[in-house]
Order: sequence, then C-alpha cells, then structure tokens
Amino acid sequence: NAGVMQNPRHLVRRRGQEARLRCSPMKGHSHVYWYRQLPEEGLKFMVYLQKENIIDESGMPKERFSAEFPKEGPSILRIQQVVRGDSAAYFCASSPSRGPTSYEQYFGPGTRLTVT
Amino acid sequence: KQEVTQIPAALSVPEGENLVLNCSFTDSAIYNLQWFRQDPGKGLTSLLLIQSSQREQTSGRLNASLDKSSGRSTLYIAASQPGDSATYLCAVEDSNYQLIWGAGTKLIIKP
Repeated sequence: NAGVMQNPRHLVRRRGQEARLRCSPMKGHSHVYWYRQLPEEGLKFMVYLQKENIIDESGMPKERFSAEFPKEGPSILRIQQVVRGDSAAYFCASSPSRGPTSYEQYFGPGTRLTVT
Repeated sequence: KQEVTQIPAALSVPEGENLVLNCSFTDSAIYNLQWFRQDPGKGLTSLLLIQSSQREQTSGRLNASLDKSSGRSTLYIAASQPGDSATYLCAVEDSNYQLIWGAGTKLIIKP
C-alpha cells in the first residue's frame, strides 16, 4: 500500500506565475489535509477536504489560494500569482475517515516551493 | 485557541545520554497527540501517536507520555545516538481535526 504521494517534490516559480501542488492520499483514504511550513517556522494548518467537499479552510489565505479534492484524481492546492512569501514546504496528509474516533493523519514527503 | 509549546527550542547532549523533550498545550479537548521527527530539508516521520484516552506509547528507545488534564506530553529518548539528531515536533489534533503544531526542539547528539 503506497503512502501519501506528493508531486512535484520541488517546484520553482517566478513571481506572478501559478503553482499547482498535487497530493494523492493513501489508498482507501477519503480525507486530505494541507499544511504549510514557512522557512524557520512551524507547520500551520491550511485546509481540510473530503472527496468533492471543502470541510474547513480556516487556515487558507483569503486570496490567491484554493484547494480541491475531486471525485477522481489527486487533491490540488493551487496558488495563483505567487509571491516570494509563498516560498515554503507544503505538506499533505490523509486519513481514512473521521468521527468520534481519532484517526492518524499520514503525511506525504512535501512539496518545496521556491518563488524567484 | 489551542497553542502548543515545545521546550527547549534546542538541545545538545553527548551520545549515550537519556533525554526528555517537553510539549505543552493549552486546551485539553484533543483527539490525540503525535510526535514527529524532521530532518533538515526533509519530510515528516511519525514517531508515536497517543490517543486522548491513553497515557503513553512506546517504540524502541522512544517513550511518549500524555497527561491531558495538565496539558503536557514528554518524549523520552533512551541511550541517544548521533542518528537521533533532528528536529522533533509535537502536534495535537484539536476538536476540528486540525493538527496544531509546536515550533519544535532541535536536537543535536554529539559523538
């Protein structure tokens, strides 16, 4: 059973370009979470998605950032018109379900975005 | 609002020593607490997960405890080795299923 996959692992974009980060959850997992780690800072929650639904986007910047998790295919974190401050490591995690029971979130290797 | 604090921010000890890393959180309404390891420029390696109903978990030379009522967790590393050098992160899953992270403890084990 393959783990959480993220691609690309490294992404370089010029200011103003768009960045698309992909996350394929573990097989059988229908919940996806995105976290961002700014240089020399801790990780911060961005968004929580279930298939075709955004459950919680309270950590997403209001502008330029969007996320989706379609019925088929990976989850996509999209950053429009990137700026230097978007340079960070973006981690995706998945879990099998949610509810009163706690489920572990399994993490991908991350995508390191560099904006030049 | 849940806040997670890790003390110390950095720690350097000689090889072979036993050591304790601390994590505290402000809101006891958590689903679980997880310890991770992160090597420079690398991803996250999950070390131990403690459910809110549990008191401790062990894996090899690692032991993590959880005292939910006091908002504290410790990660105990026995017989430290240079390969243990990394940043150790503590995260709690809050009532909204978000992981709230500490800033980490940077550990250096000197040969």
